[in-house]
Amino acid sequence: DGGITQSPKYLFRKEGQNVTLSCEQNLNHDAMYWYRQDPGQGLRLIYYSQIVNDFQKGDIAEGYSVSREKKESFPLTVTSAQKNPTAFYLCASSGAGTDIQYFGAGTRLSVL
Amino acid sequence: EDQVTQSPEALRLQEGESSSLNCSYTVSGLRGLFWYRQDPGKGPEFLFTLYSAGEEKEKERLKATLTKKESFLHITAPKPEDSATYLCAVSNSGGYQKVTFGTGTKLQVIP
Repeated sequence: DGGITQSPKYLFRKEGQNVTLSCEQNLNHDAMYWYRQDPGQGLRLIYYSQIVNDFQKGDIAEGYSVSREKKESFPLTVTSAQKNPTAFYLCASSGAGTDIQYFGAGTRLSVL
Repeated sequence: EDQVTQSPEALRLQEGESSSLNCSYTVSGLRGLFWYRQDPGKGPEFLFTLYSAGEEKEKERLKATLTKKESFLHITAPKPEDSATYLCAVSNSGGYQKVTFGTGTKLQVIP
């Protein structure tokens, strides 16, 4: 089945630790996105990538980093510089010529 | 800056009681308006895209409509399984596919 796979489903971060969230898609989409969702707030864009080896900062990129070495993969690292990382993280992708984004199941990150 | 406002924040309906969810938007050149359904602890699931005023889309008990300033998601004779948060989003005609999301309407349908 085509889709977007995020892992892990739950993740815990210790103080001063970097953690990486995985996002893989087999939809052959060029564009991929990372969003953060907090209660009572809309989805906020962290980073996006429209093509392999290129990515751009979104609205709340501070404390996060990404890479896009393969079309299928867009991992997100939450660095120790992100002081409030507890949230639900969503990865999405979209195909050429459309703005419709398809989402993974999400990763819930908590701080120990 | 693009903005999306959804109302009400929460809606409680009896099974079979039809109603509408509102999505008001301001965007610098609308390219598309999207409706998603999100269940607790899961990612949003795409429902509809609307591109121009007057357009309507239907899927089972859901019908989405679009005007120049807002969109409505009409729910006809809802069932408990329609309970979810419904998200509205818009994309603009700018250089890349930036999508702005609203905060959602949490719908609860009571048997």
